[in-house]
Amino acid sequence: AQSVSQHNHHVILSEAASLELGCNYSYGGTVNLFWYVQYPGQHLQLLLKYFSGDPLVKGIKGFEAEFIKSKFSFNLRKPSVQWSDTAEYFCASRGSSNTGKLIFGQGTTLQVKP
Amino acid sequence: DTGVSQNPRHKITKRGQNVTFRCDPISEHNRLYWYRQTLGQGPEFLTYFQNEAQLEKSRLLSDRFSAERPKGSFSTLEIQRTEQGDSAMYLCASSYTTASTDTQYFGPGTRLTVL
Repeated sequence: AQSVSQHNHHVILSEAASLELGCNYSYGGTVNLFWYVQYPGQHLQLLLKYFSGDPLVKGIKGFEAEFIKSKFSFNLRKPSVQWSDTAEYFCASRGSSNTGKLIFGQGTTLQVKP
Repeated sequence: DTGVSQNPRHKITKRGQNVTFRCDPISEHNRLYWYRQTLGQGPEFLTYFQNEAQLEKSRLLSDRFSAERPKGSFSTLEIQRTEQGDSAMYLCASSYTTASTDTQYFGPGTRLTVL
């Protein structure tokens, strides 16, 4: 069965620190990949997505992610975090063009200290 | 673009009762998805529709769960004979799918508490 794993469950950083959240997926075929963010009290919002092409994708609020097919990874990065980035981050994959469903990781809670 | 809306936002019910949730997708989105999320976990897929057709159901979706999208617009998710294990956040998402892209946009969810 397809799966997505996020290595870090809880990350604490100070403002201006760099961020990298790990995500690995298990599907070996064509894959679409997503990062969603859930700010406190809000609903899931799309940060960025990868369908094909340039493996380095840029999203909103200065986030980017790199698709590395050989490593089955899609890590999320941000060079300098802000207090407002405190949220829960979810990686998701869709492993086949014939299915709509997303497979989510467990999520990573990011706490940014001012 | 008003976003995906879900009603009610919160539902408290007693074990054994039936509950129904509604989801209104972004207009003109042809796909509608239901997920369930429990504390500390990512969303888990339940089912999805393309227009009126229910294309896929998860094994998580027991016989007590039924979903409909009768006119290809809003959808309802009904849980019969609720159990305490059904307590969760029920999320709806919608998308406009093409041959190569399908990006899901989520609603605020309905939080179900079964006493």
